[in-house]
Amino acid sequence: GNSVTQMEGPVTLSEEAFLTINCTYTATGYPSLFWYVQYPGEGLQLLLKATKADDKGSNKGFEATYRKETTSFHLEKGSVQVSDSAVYFCALSPVAGGTSYGKLTFGQGTILTVHP
Amino acid sequence: SQTIHQWPATLVQPVGSPLSLECTVEGTSNPNLYWYRQAAGRGLQLLFYSVGIGQISSEVPQNLSASRPQDRQFILSSKKLLLSDSGFYLCAWTTGVGEKLFFGSGTQLSVL
Repeated sequence: GNSVTQMEGPVTLSEEAFLTINCTYTATGYPSLFWYVQYPGEGLQLLLKATKADDKGSNKGFEATYRKETTSFHLEKGSVQVSDSAVYFCALSPVAGGTSYGKLTFGQGTILTVHP
Repeated sequence: SQTIHQWPATLVQPVGSPLSLECTVEGTSNPNLYWYRQAAGRGLQLLFYSVGIGQISSEVPQNLSASRPQDRQFILSSKKLLLSDSGFYLCAWTTGVGEKLFFGSGTQLSVL
């Protein structure tokens, strides 16, 4: 079956530090990969995505590259801000179209805290 | 614009009591609806999804059930809660072929 493994948190950084949150996956075929973020008191929201190998998803200064050879989708940001403090979830979806798109497999989430 | 409402935000229930969590979506029609759960230290797990009124698919065997009495309403229920039902429950929706899930703010359920 499909699975997603994220680096264990929590992660605590100072403002302007470099961020990496590791994510590796196990899946059959060619899944789509996602990073979702949950800010305090809010629901999860899509941060970025990549649908095929070597694609780079990017948004709000965050980036992640779909690496099929290492089955990874690590999240990076060059300079974090206090407002980036949130829980980050890596997820995959089988590329089968239709309703299967909502049937995501999530990692356990990584709590990020950024201090001024 | 579309919005999703989920309530309550937190809930503490004794073992053996019933459960009803409600989720409603506004601003769209015929959405696909989902219930996810996050148990402590684990990733989000898909529990149920629905592609239309009265159509429910269960992803994992469990003590819970789901219903969709109206197009934009999705309810998660249990007749008798177990300790293992504790967790963070999230409702979500997407369009028929959409790859972007929209989540509610979640319900933290503690069964004591």
